[in-house]
Amino acid sequence: AQSVTQLGSHVSVSEGALVLLRCNYSSSVPPYLFWYVQYPNQGLQLLLKYTSAATLVKGINGFEAEFKKSETSFHLTKPSAHMSDAAEYFCAVRNSGNTPLVFGKGTRLSVIA
Amino acid sequence: DGGITQSPKYLFRKEGQNVTLSCEQNLNHDAMYWYRQDPGQGLRLIYYSQIVNDFQKGDIAEGYSVSREKKESFPLTVTSAQKNPTAFYLCASSITGGINQPQHFGDGTRLSIL
Repeated sequence: AQSVTQLGSHVSVSEGALVLLRCNYSSSVPPYLFWYVQYPNQGLQLLLKYTSAATLVKGINGFEAEFKKSETSFHLTKPSAHMSDAAEYFCAVRNSGNTPLVFGKGTRLSVIA
Repeated sequence: DGGITQSPKYLFRKEGQNVTLSCEQNLNHDAMYWYRQDPGQGLRLIYYSQIVNDFQKGDIAEGYSVSREKKESFPLTVTSAQKNPTAFYLCASSITGGINQPQHFGDGTRLSIL
């Protein structure tokens, strides 16, 4: 079964700096990948999803992710961090058509003023 | 507005007690899921259901039970057999039949032991 690994349980950036959150998947077949965001004491909100139509996927709140098959990666980026981006971010993969998403352990993003 | 409603938001359980967490959706989704979230461990799947009157165990089903009598409802019971129930519980739903369909989440229930 496919899984995802998120490197770094906690990332801290300054306001206005680049945000880079890492996600690597384990698969020899094209995966279906998702990024979610979770604010404190709330559920998860979909940021973006990879559907093989394009390798660069744009999501909400200025985030985007690039699918790189050669690196088995789907890293999440945002050019300029905002204080409101402070949250926990989860990468997830679906193994087959009707199965539940499998989540990484999450990365907590802190934004410093 | 369509969405997923979890209740209550906070729940306290005494030792030896069963408690039931509610999850209702009005998105007309066939599939529903329960996850448990602990700090640093991400989301772990407890149970899921792809159709009414059918459900499957996830990775950590021991000590939990579910039912799916109606399409819009998927309650989770945390039994006294679950020795460490303190966690944040998340319910989700999705359309079936599409590998790229996302899961939609409720706002969670935080369960604590008295």
